[in-house]
Amino acid sequence: DAGVIQSPRHEVTEMGQEVTLRCKPISGHDYLFWYRQTMMRGLELLIYFNNNVPIDDSGMPEDRFSAKMPNASFSTLKIQPSEPRDSAVYFCASSLAGDHRDTQYFGPGTRLTVL
Amino acid sequence: GDSVTQMEGPVTLSEEAFLTINCTYTATGYPSLFWYVQYPGEGLQLLLKATKADDKGSNKGFEATYRKETTSFHLEKGSVQVSDSAVYFCALRNYGGSQGNLIFGKGTKLSVKP
Repeated sequence: DAGVIQSPRHEVTEMGQEVTLRCKPISGHDYLFWYRQTMMRGLELLIYFNNNVPIDDSGMPEDRFSAKMPNASFSTLKIQPSEPRDSAVYFCASSLAGDHRDTQYFGPGTRLTVL
Repeated sequence: GDSVTQMEGPVTLSEEAFLTINCTYTATGYPSLFWYVQYPGEGLQLLLKATKADDKGSNKGFEATYRKETTSFHLEKGSVQVSDSAVYFCALRNYGGSQGNLIFGKGTKLSVKP
């Protein structure tokens, strides 16, 4: 299995630019999660989807952040406009349903730097 | 709300030393408890879990026992190796709260020197 795939692995952009992060979950998984990791706040859940439907986006920091899952094999997290405080590592993870939600499979992350 | 508190890092040990990383939790009901590990440059992966009080989870020489009376789930390993250098996250999943999602601690970085 290929595992969860994220792109790009690194992104450097300037303040005010739009940033799009991409994720391909493991085939057959029902849930997809977006997390943000920073030194100060640790690992934060931003949003999660069940069968492509957004269930809870209460972790999205503000309206500049949006996420979509147009089909079972692809999701995007978009930041527009980006700000320096958005610099972090963004992880996508996926899991099966029920008790199998205990085991989330994480991608390698996208390290975002906003100058 | 539910939360996980783990010891601040970094923790630096010599090879073959004994490891303990403390983790305590706050949750209503009977959560399941987990340790995830993040190796350099990678995403998190499940290391071990315990689903009820007094259960012991174990994997790759690591162990943790679910102690309900002390609300703790400390991670231990008898003899660490350089390859164990990573960030370790304690987590809980409360099926009756937080929409059943994993709640992670802030992570503890472990460095093992040869």
